[in-house]
Amino acid sequence: DAGVIQSPRHEVTEMGQEVTLRCKPISGHNSLFWYRQTMMRGLELLIYFNNNVPIDDSGMPEDRFSAKMPNASFSTLKIQPSEPRDSAVYFCASSSRDGDREAFFGQGTRLTVV
Amino acid sequence: GQSLEQPSEVTAVEGAIVQINCTYQTSGFYGLSWYQQHDGGAPTFLSYNALDGLEETGRFSSFLSRSDSYGYLLLQELQMKDSASYFCAVRDLTDSWGKFQFGAGTQVVVTP
Repeated sequence: DAGVIQSPRHEVTEMGQEVTLRCKPISGHNSLFWYRQTMMRGLELLIYFNNNVPIDDSGMPEDRFSAKMPNASFSTLKIQPSEPRDSAVYFCASSSRDGDREAFFGQGTRLTVV
Repeated sequence: GQSLEQPSEVTAVEGAIVQINCTYQTSGFYGLSWYQQHDGGAPTFLSYNALDGLEETGRFSSFLSRSDSYGYLLLQELQMKDSASYFCAVRDLTDSWGKFQFGAGTQVVVTP
């Protein structure tokens, strides 16, 4: 398996634009997590899905952020409109339902909003 | 919910031993995991303790004491390539599905 695949790796956009981050989890994994990492706040859990259903989105900062998982092999995190304070590295991770020991991370998307 | 505390930075010389402590407040979790992250990279799994005691994986060992709400990662025979951030993490038992929560991370700086 190629691991968790995220795209794009880097994104630079202007304030106010819509940004869509994509994630393909490891095949067979039924838990998917979106994290945001900044120097100030560390690794923050934004939202996670189990069997394509959002379980906890309490970490989503505000209504500008939304996430979907239309099927077991694809998820998106959308920011609309984007703001400079959204600049961060966004990681997607996946795990099996009973895999209590390990989350497998993608390489992340470095987002810069100017 | 979970709260995991770890030191922000540790500096040591090559060949030395470093211990990174992780204290937590939790209402329940499966086990304590450790991750390594190099600058510009993704967190990668290092070690896991489901039960109390010491787990050894090469130069790295991890320890858990549930009664003390405490764990640590021990890095031995430090090498320059060990310079990275290290995170402790738990998979939360407070909901039936289990989300991974991470500490703020410890930056380990290895000097010649």
